[in-house]
Amino acid sequence: QSVLTQPPSASGTPGQRVTISCSGSSANIGADTVNWYQQLPGTAPKLLIYTNNHRPSGVPDRFSGSKSGTSASLAISGLQSEDEADYYCAAWDDSLNGVVFGGGTKLTVL
Amino acid sequence: QLQLQESGPGLVKPSETLSLTCTVSGGSIRSSNYYWGWVRQPPGKGLEWVGRIFYSGSTYYNPSLKSRVTISVDTSKNQFFLSLNSVTAADTAVYYCAREEYGSSGYYHGMDVWGQGTTVTVSS
Repeated sequence: QSVLTQPPSASGTPGQRVTISCSGSSANIGADTVNWYQQLPGTAPKLLIYTNNHRPSGVPDRFSGSKSGTSASLAISGLQSEDEADYYCAAWDDSLNGVVFGGGTKLTVL
Repeated sequence: QLQLQESGPGLVKPSETLSLTCTVSGGSIRSSNYYWGWVRQPPGKGLEWVGRIFYSGSTYYNPSLKSRVTISVDTSKNQFFLSLNSVTAADTAVYYCAREEYGSSGYYHGMDVWGQGTTVTVSS
């Protein structure tokens, strides 16, 4: 059972916009910033969004993040086949004094 | 360009100690903006944060592993280490080392550089 809650799966067709939610509490998302990671099959995770809505250099602007209260969302617009991956949200948890991850969402491009 | 590389035994016996090294190249581990952390991923499962260390030696650990985990650092070698004792099959996972960044505002910016990961199997 992960501290942050994500849907286990999501899907969309090429060109579509999909969103992935991440629900937490006042100890984590409500108290600090949210980061999102993309993990392509067989590879290490890659930082996709940091501090709620910032993209590292090289990440396409098709990816965007938002946060409201104790929840956050990752949006992917203009869905492409290469976006098929697992996506994880993460945040610092003040109660646990550590980083907590969501369980991950497997995105399928139909 | 900063790179991280994990190394260590791929097979550990139950009840023994798992020991991994992360070697940092292309930059110094002695930076005030970064922690150096470990994340693991059991086969077919999600990511689990194990813990982190600052170059000065201060540490944070996952409460669920705290009694068995030690993370240490050797700044002279630009390396940091993971030790997990009393391992069981549940500790079988890909172990990643990663750099954790904090911005000047103090907000957590996440893990921006990752190693490729090393698979550790716990089995007799």
